[in-house]
Amino acid sequence: EVQLVESGGGLVQPGGSLRLSCAASGFTVSAYWMTWVRQAPGKGLEWVANINQDGGEKYYVDSVKGRFTISRDSAKNSLYLQMNSLRVEDTAVYFCARTEQAGGFDIWGQGTMATVS
Amino acid sequence: QSVLTQPPSVSAAPGQKVTISCSGSSSNIGKNFVSWYQQFPGTAPKLLIYENNKRPSGIPDRFSGSRSGTSATLSITGLQTGDEADYYCGAWDSSLSVAAFGGGTKLTAL
Repeated sequence: EVQLVESGGGLVQPGGSLRLSCAASGFTVSAYWMTWVRQAPGKGLEWVANINQDGGEKYYVDSVKGRFTISRDSAKNSLYLQMNSLRVEDTAVYFCARTEQAGGFDIWGQGTMATVS
Repeated sequence: QSVLTQPPSVSAAPGQKVTISCSGSSSNIGKNFVSWYQQFPGTAPKLLIYENNKRPSGIPDRFSGSRSGTSATLSITGLQTGDEADYYCGAWDSSLSVAAFGGGTKLTAL
């Protein structure tokens, strides 16, 4: 079965750090663009970052540039999001998603909650 | 302020047709493929439409998508109460180098 499972969320104080993980099964992470999307409580979806197949291209939303780093580990078939200098406004459920060829997100994880307070 | 603009809410009676609009610009919808997502409370979004008008396997043909210029539309025919959810459009923005989502539309079956 093709699936993504996130972990690593939790409660952290402003200025702190969290590292989110996204374990893939049923497909190879290194064969796809991969994406992090977040959703603040009661709000809409916000794209956070993505990474290409070989890790050579990475893009970030302006609000997290310089603070968040997206990466992947082919050996562990996993995607990561290192979040530093966290702010209250980073509080959200973070989803990882597989990106299909045309840019749509076809497989989503269940999400992991990061609370900055 | 979202890059893509959707109405906050739409409603229709069960059995009817409902459409959700998504307005963008030449750098996103006008240039790149549009996708649509369905999200129920407390769950992850689900891909409904990709490449403007294609359905992943398992998505009923009651759901369809279209694009014209810098706007896109999601249509749902034979509306069911089980379709009540939030719907989001998305597209890559080539000028901003970001993936843009609409603000979301809450669908109510009256």
